[in-house]
Amino acid sequence: AQTVTQSQPEMSVQEAETVTLSCTYDTSESNYYLFWYKQPPSRQMILVIRQEAYKQQNATENRFSVNFQKAAKSFSLKISDSQLGDTAMYFCAFMKRSSGTYKYIFGTGTRLKVLA
Amino acid sequence: GAGVSQTPSNKVTEKGKYVELRCDPISGHTALYWYRQSLGQGPEFLIYFQGTGAADDSGLPNDRFFAVRPEGSVSTLKIQRTERGDSAVYLCASSLPDNTEAFFGQGTRLTVV
Repeated sequence: AQTVTQSQPEMSVQEAETVTLSCTYDTSESNYYLFWYKQPPSRQMILVIRQEAYKQQNATENRFSVNFQKAAKSFSLKISDSQLGDTAMYFCAFMKRSSGTYKYIFGTGTRLKVLA
Repeated sequence: GAGVSQTPSNKVTEKGKYVELRCDPISGHTALYWYRQSLGQGPEFLIYFQGTGAADDSGLPNDRFFAVRPEGSVSTLKIQRTERGDSAVYLCASSLPDNTEAFFGQGTRLTVV
């Protein structure tokens, strides 16, 4: 069974600074996706960034980038130039790519607070 | 609508009652997921539909939980004989057939008293 571990329950960062959120996962699969989702107080999960396991290049989306280490099963999220609107819960998620099921396995989340 | 819509936003029910939670996915999204999120936890998978059929219901905790999607669009999560431990936020998500991005609704907060 796949598991996703986020070892940082809470983090804080000063506005405009850079912060890195950690995520590790365990799987025997070779074909999968990894995601970071943001959940603000409104409860709606919003996709931040996605990484396909077969791609060696780390994904980037504007101020958000990942450090994907497949052998180490590590998938950290770097937020550059942090903004007050980045304050939210962040969840790392794994999805196996195989026929029949595409369920997401989520970690327990990291609460990020951006300080003014 | 433009996004995934879940109704009601909040539901308070008495222990032992029956509840239905509705999810209206994004038009054209054939895949639909239900998740349960307890306080301080990440979302926990319940069931996944591809079209009208449940492709994976391995996350349903027991036979009090049931979900349907009769026309391949709107889905209803049904909980019988509710228990206080069922209190949580129930999230619905939908995606295109490639399943590479799930779009979530704002959830239904269920409180069993």
